[in-house]
Amino acid sequence: ETGVTQTPRHLVMGMTNKKSLKCEQHLGHNAMYWYKQSAKKPLELMFVYSLEERVENNSVPSRFSPECPNSSHLFLHLHTLQPEDSALYLCASGRLAPGGANVLTFGAGSRLTVL
Amino acid sequence: AQKVTQAQTEISVVEKEDVTLDCVYETRDTTYYLFWYKQPPSGELVFLIRRNSFDEQNEISGRYSWNFQKSTSSFNFTITASQVVDSAVYFCALSEAGYGGATNKLIFGTGTLLAVQP
Repeated sequence: ETGVTQTPRHLVMGMTNKKSLKCEQHLGHNAMYWYKQSAKKPLELMFVYSLEERVENNSVPSRFSPECPNSSHLFLHLHTLQPEDSALYLCASGRLAPGGANVLTFGAGSRLTVL
Repeated sequence: AQKVTQAQTEISVVEKEDVTLDCVYETRDTTYYLFWYKQPPSGELVFLIRRNSFDEQNEISGRYSWNFQKSTSSFNFTITASQVVDSAVYFCALSEAGYGGATNKLIFGTGTLLAVQP
């Protein structure tokens, strides 16, 4: 069983819906990440939270809104999405290490389909 | 700019064949880390290996081996005597010490889908 749990595993929503993706880790990690995985494209980093503070936002549209209430939980709030937002959304956690040596632990992902 | 290229989109082999997955990277940093992750059909990325830029020794772990060559900016992954359970998407990734140090973010390649036929 993975140390990072994502729910729901599958989500179908209309363009006018509001939904949220949830990520939970109990590995004692102090950084959490949202990645987007689309077919034929590299994994795209969306957001990074370090010690519950957002430290990176890679030009993600405002229809994606992250929230990190504590070091164990990360949410991605979704509203008025577009069909091109359909993808696998992966959450990861890690312990920040000097020099970029951090090994990330990934969840199984939330498969999102926008109709 | 940092970049990871996995030119092989899909590879199909028959069980027990050896297979090499290629990874070429670009970075301006002298200190960086390279990773390989495996993504089985279940979806989660599973960590396989991490190497730092100062350690060019090849590494072997069971049927897996990695060849790191700074001269060609390559970090290739070989599976010996492949098995059906090796079927997955394999990702190569780069983390730079300077740029990524504050966030330790990974830059991924597009992945290689490996299909091992029985």
